[in-house]
Amino acid sequence: DVKVTQSSRYLVKRTGEKVFLECVQDMDHENMFWYRQDPGLGLRLIYFSYDVKMKEKGDIPEGYSVSREKKERFSLILESASTNQTSMYLCASSPSGADGLLNEQFFGPGTRLTVL
Amino acid sequence: AQTVTQSQPEMSVQEAETVTLSCTYDTSESDYYLFWYKQPPSRQMILVIRQEAYKQQNATENRFSVNFQKAAKSFSLKISDSQLGDAAMYFCAYRSAWADKLIFGTGTRLQVFP
Repeated sequence: DVKVTQSSRYLVKRTGEKVFLECVQDMDHENMFWYRQDPGLGLRLIYFSYDVKMKEKGDIPEGYSVSREKKERFSLILESASTNQTSMYLCASSPSGADGLLNEQFFGPGTRLTVL
Repeated sequence: AQTVTQSQPEMSVQEAETVTLSCTYDTSESDYYLFWYKQPPSRQMILVIRQEAYKQQNATENRFSVNFQKAAKSFSLKISDSQLGDAAMYFCAYRSAWADKLIFGTGTRLQVFP
């Protein structure tokens, strides 16, 4: 079974802190994604990566950055956390290529981040 | 840009009954994929069912089936013989044939009553 793990289920940080959210997948997937989930807004894509050291902005990249130094690991970084970044953060991975078109994205359990 | 709309924030159904969740989308593309994902309370999101746009036949997975109307850009999910374990948030998602990313709707919270 594909497994996507996230470093924390719950995280509480203070305004201005630098925050790292880690995601690891064990299925050798090329693609990895970071989403933010808010009530009434669904899932919104922050960043995604289709290869090591490659990244693309999603729909709401402002205030976030990412790092992918190894294929299995994709980190989301909040350079200076703000209260409006309080949210649920979901990581996902998927294979790419023609065979991957119909393949699902596999999600981690999520990190509920509170910024005080 | 593509958009996905789920107009029902909440739905409820009695155990063993049938419920249909609505989803519409907007795209100018002809080649794409559609998905329904389920997010149980405090648990990971999982795929329920998927549909290729070029297939006219509606996808079915056990008690879950879709009604895919390409011309109307509609992709509803029907859950038959509802079970308590079906209670969850359900998200409709769109994926272009030319991109890896998913575009999600806002979700429908389904409650199942005994």
